[in-house]
Amino acid sequence: GNSVTQMEGPVTLSEEAFLTINCTYTATGYPSLFWYVQYPGEGLQLLLKATKADDKGSNKGFEATYRKETTSFHLEKGSVQVSDSAVYFCARHNNNDMRFGAGTRLTVKP
Amino acid sequence: DTAVSQTPKYLVTQMGNDKSIKCEQNLGHDTMYWYKQDSKKFLKIMFSYNNKELIINETVPNRFSPKSPDKAHLNLHINSLELGDSAVYFCASSQSEGRAETQYFGPGTRLLVL
Repeated sequence: GNSVTQMEGPVTLSEEAFLTINCTYTATGYPSLFWYVQYPGEGLQLLLKATKADDKGSNKGFEATYRKETTSFHLEKGSVQVSDSAVYFCARHNNNDMRFGAGTRLTVKP
Repeated sequence: DTAVSQTPKYLVTQMGNDKSIKCEQNLGHDTMYWYKQDSKKFLKIMFSYNNKELIINETVPNRFSPKSPDKAHLNLHINSLELGDSAVYFCASSQSEGRAETQYFGPGTRLLVL
């Protein structure tokens, strides 16, 4: 099965709402964790990452903390904008093995 | 300047044909990848090359054959195309195969097999 599980979408929020997209992973050892974002018609681009336990990745107001005890890397943003509408992918990389979650589509309405 | 480029952007072809997708990166990276994204956006790695050597080959039909003439290029050739091959194919690259490396994705090639 997939070793990265993320919240199923689609998620629809109003502008300035709080966002959480849950992500959990399975892996042996110490994977690096990533959030990638895919805007319509484009390839994925890195949003943020964390490479060891308790690290917090942050970018553009998004944050995620590497929680080894709960094997989670939940994505949060305090106030979303219309321009944040995209598909968000959680991923883990360990031992030459890169796995992505199924993606969560976020739509932010004005 | 485009960091990771793919050609063509769109590819519409008949079942049974053979086609190639080209990928080039100008980032000086050592590692390149091919991913397949299906209609539900699920992204699955197909191949990974490091310095022109194959390091990951997931369960992919033999009809798919990657070729890396140099470390800046990783092309994907597909023989005897099937309807189920319709998807978006993404090329990506990273500085190395290390677990902390960021991958840089191309814009994708949208393949439709009729």
